[in-house]
Amino acid sequence: SQTIHQWPATLVQPVGSPLSLECTVEGTSNPNLYWYRQAAGRGLQLLFYSVGIGQISSEVPQNLSASRPQDRQFILSSKKLLLSDSGFYLCAWKQGTPLHFGNGTRLTVT
Amino acid sequence: GQQVMQIPQYQHVQEGEDFTTYCNSSTTLSNIQWYKQRPGGHPVFLIQLVKSGEVKKQKRLTFQFGEAKKNSSLHITATQTTDVGTYFCAGPSGGTSYGKLTFGQGTILTVHP
Repeated sequence: SQTIHQWPATLVQPVGSPLSLECTVEGTSNPNLYWYRQAAGRGLQLLFYSVGIGQISSEVPQNLSASRPQDRQFILSSKKLLLSDSGFYLCAWKQGTPLHFGNGTRLTVT
Repeated sequence: GQQVMQIPQYQHVQEGEDFTTYCNSSTTLSNIQWYKQRPGGHPVFLIQLVKSGEVKKQKRLTFQFGEAKKNSSLHITATQTTDVGTYFCAGPSGGTSYGKLTFGQGTILTVHP
C-alpha cells in the first residue's frame, strides 16, 4: 500500500535561517505531489505542485521554493525564513482521487 | 480566480444535535470532495461527488452536490464527540489537470458531550 512520510513533525527556526522540509512517497510511481500551507489551523493554501521529476509549478509568490529531485521525493526550502512563514506545512500526493496528505510539519519562526 | 467559500466558520453543538456545513464555488465544478481534519491531524478524504444533484451517505453523514454543480453540503445526524474536527470541501482548480484542488476555509465543529 502507499504511504507518505513527512518530516520533521515540528520545527522552530529563527528568522533568517534556512529551511528544508522533506516528503517521500512509497508504494506508487510518478505521483502528482503538492505542498500546502495551513495558517492558524484554517484553510489550505496550495504552494507548489509537481507532475514529474524536476517539474515544479508555484501557485503563489513567496519566500519559499520546492524541488523534486527524485520521483517520490518532494522538498520545500527557503534560504531565509520570515516570521510570516510560520504555519502547518502539508505534503500530499495524488493519482486520481483522492488527495493523500502527510502528517505535516508545524513550523514556528521566532 | 476560483473561490470556494464555506459556512459557517465555526459550529458548536451538543452531542446528539445535527450539523450542516455549506460549500459554494464561484465556478461550476466537475466534482467536489470533502475532507475531515481532526485536531492536530492532517486532512483525510471522506468522499467525492460528481453528478449534478448527487446525494451520498456514509452512516450518519449525508453529502449533497447541487444541481448547478456550484454548491454542496455535508450534514451530520446526531453528532458524536468523534465528529469533532474541521470539515473542508474542495474543488478542482485550473481545470482537472494536475489534480490541483482549491479548498474552502473549512468549518470547525465542536461537539459538547
